[in-house]
Amino acid sequence: QSVLTQPPSASGTPGQRVTISCSGSSSNIGSNTVNWYQQLPGTAPKLLIYSNNQRPSGVPDRFSGSKSGTSASLAISGLQSEDEADYYCAGWDDSLNGPVFGGGTKLTVL
Amino acid sequence: QVQLQESGPGLVKPSETLSLTCTVSGGSISSGSYYWNWIRQPAGKGLEWIGRLYASVSTDYNPSLKTRVTISVDTSKNQFSLRLSSLTAADTAVYYCARDLRGYSYGLELDHWGQGTLVTVSS
Repeated sequence: QSVLTQPPSASGTPGQRVTISCSGSSSNIGSNTVNWYQQLPGTAPKLLIYSNNQRPSGVPDRFSGSKSGTSASLAISGLQSEDEADYYCAGWDDSLNGPVFGGGTKLTVL
Repeated sequence: QVQLQESGPGLVKPSETLSLTCTVSGGSISSGSYYWNWIRQPAGKGLEWIGRLYASVSTDYNPSLKTRVTISVDTSKNQFSLRLSSLTAADTAVYYCARDLRGYSYGLELDHWGQGTLVTVSS
């Protein structure tokens, strides 16, 4: 059972906008920043979003992040087939005094 | 461009100790203020943070693994290592080493990753 809760699956059609949620509590998302990772099959995770809504160099602006209260969201606009992957949220938890991952969301492009 | 590469045994026996090494190239592990992390992922499951090393001097560990984990550094070889003791089948996973983006203490902003190495715990 992950400290950060994500839906196990999400789906969309090419060109569509999809969002993936990450729910936490006052000890994690409510008081610290959130990061998002994309993991393509058989590869290492890739940092997509850090500090709630910042994109590392090279990440397309189709990917955006937001945070409100104890929840965060990753939005992908103009969905492409190559976006089919697992997505993980992550952040610091003050109660555990360490970083935690969400359980992951498998995104399917129909 | 910083690159990381994990190495170590692919098969370890139950109750034994796992030793993995992460070799860093394209940058010095002792320069800058970065966190050097170990992450693992059981097959078909999610990611689990194991622990991290900061500026070659301090370490933080996942509380659930703390009694079994040691992370150390060899600056002369530009490597950092993971030791995990008292192994069980539940420790079977792909193990990744990773460096964070900017040395931010209260986050997990890992922008450089190794390719991962599969470790199987079995007799």
